[in-house]
Amino acid sequence: NAGVMQNPRHLVRRRGQEARLRCSPMKGHSHVYWYRQLPEEGLKFMVYLQKENIIDESGMPKERFSAEFPKEGPSILRIQQVVRGDSAAYFCASSRWGGSDTQYFGPGTRLTVL
Amino acid sequence: GESVGLHLPTLSVQEGDNSIINCAYSNSASDYFIWYKQESGKGPQFIIDIRSNMDKRQGQRVTVLLNKTVKHLSLQIAATQPGDSAVYFCAENLQGAQKLVFGQGTRLTINP
Repeated sequence: NAGVMQNPRHLVRRRGQEARLRCSPMKGHSHVYWYRQLPEEGLKFMVYLQKENIIDESGMPKERFSAEFPKEGPSILRIQQVVRGDSAAYFCASSRWGGSDTQYFGPGTRLTVL
Repeated sequence: GESVGLHLPTLSVQEGDNSIINCAYSNSASDYFIWYKQESGKGPQFIIDIRSNMDKRQGQRVTVLLNKTVKHLSLQIAATQPGDSAVYFCAENLQGAQKLVFGQGTRLTINP
């Protein structure tokens, strides 16, 4: 009974490159959430997706960031032309239902931008 | 800005004592609250949750109390063990929304 899976666990990019972060939700979960965490801070909501739909992207930066959750395959958080300020831990969570359903988190991807 | 905050950034307790971690929230429309535990280098781990129609909920060695009058949430850990060392986050879910608002976190350290 695998939990939420994320890969890669660590990702190093140079400024201007693209970063792709992947998230596979728990079995039976069709709701995915992405959060960002800076050192010594709490998690900040970025985007909420269901299969093939973005439901709430109110926490996503207006430029360079995008997310998808295709019918088949994992959810992808894509950051184009990364800058040093993008360095953070990115966590994915999933839930079986939307609304006030428990969100279970993956181990995160730690992005370092050189 | 964030609507969830914590009173103390760090808490040190003796092994075997009870720990109490506090959290204040400002959005009265929140209807669901969760405590997560995050160990170094790991993702947040669900501990316990409570809905706004309750004021207390107990789990194994943990109890969450919700006081809606003063918008206060607390996590009590009984007989604290070395494995309880971590950062603890409270999070709230605004009614009708599908996103969690996290507090800054409290680092719990256990003294032998």
